[in-house]
Amino acid sequence: GAGVSQSPRYKVAKRGQDVALRCDPISGHVSLFWYQQALGQGPEFLTYFQNEAQLDKSGLPSDRFFAERPEGSVSTLKIQRTQQEDSAVYLCASSLRDRAYEQYFGPGTRLTVT
Amino acid sequence: AQSVAQPEDQVNVAEGNPLTVKCTYSVSGNPYLFWYVQYPNRGLQFLLKYITGDNLVKGSYGFEAEFNKSQTSFHLKKPSALVSDSALYFCAVRARMDSSYKLIFGSGTRLLVRP
Repeated sequence: GAGVSQSPRYKVAKRGQDVALRCDPISGHVSLFWYQQALGQGPEFLTYFQNEAQLDKSGLPSDRFFAERPEGSVSTLKIQRTQQEDSAVYLCASSLRDRAYEQYFGPGTRLTVT
Repeated sequence: AQSVAQPEDQVNVAEGNPLTVKCTYSVSGNPYLFWYVQYPNRGLQFLLKYITGDNLVKGSYGFEAEFNKSQTSFHLKKPSALVSDSALYFCAVRARMDSSYKLIFGSGTRLLVRP
């Protein structure tokens, strides 16, 4: 079946621009996660949704980062007034609620802020 | 606080030889432990997990890992390496009592299998 998809795969933004990154989870997966992976590092947790409810946003680095999942399926991660330190790969993952410990990852969106 | 350490940035091994990629963790209470593999320009792929039960878990592509509670380790192993195993490997942990399902990842170990 189809896996987790993310778009765009690559995004170049000028410093100060707003960006929106999209994640389409696996059909039927109620849990959705966003992670940020800096170059040469492991992924770091940003936020977690169960259906449309954002249950944990403790990893969002600043109030410029905002995520939503209004209908409990597709999710969007928005970054306002991008900064160079926001350059990273943004990974989305989804899982079944009753097997929340097994997460399936998308290919990621590579964001470069110039 | 939860953390994962992967002490080796890179592991080099000849094809056909056994491989080990090391991982130690720190977590309050009992852990859930995972290994993921990342190929260039692709997302993380799940390899295996330890939830409970037998300390030796088997996963995809012939990989296995051994949970050692006393040493707080979860090393990834394979009896005979293939060139196609060359990739970036991440160990991850989640505390069993953590109501948030987030994973805490190590910094990754690059495995290079030479022909």
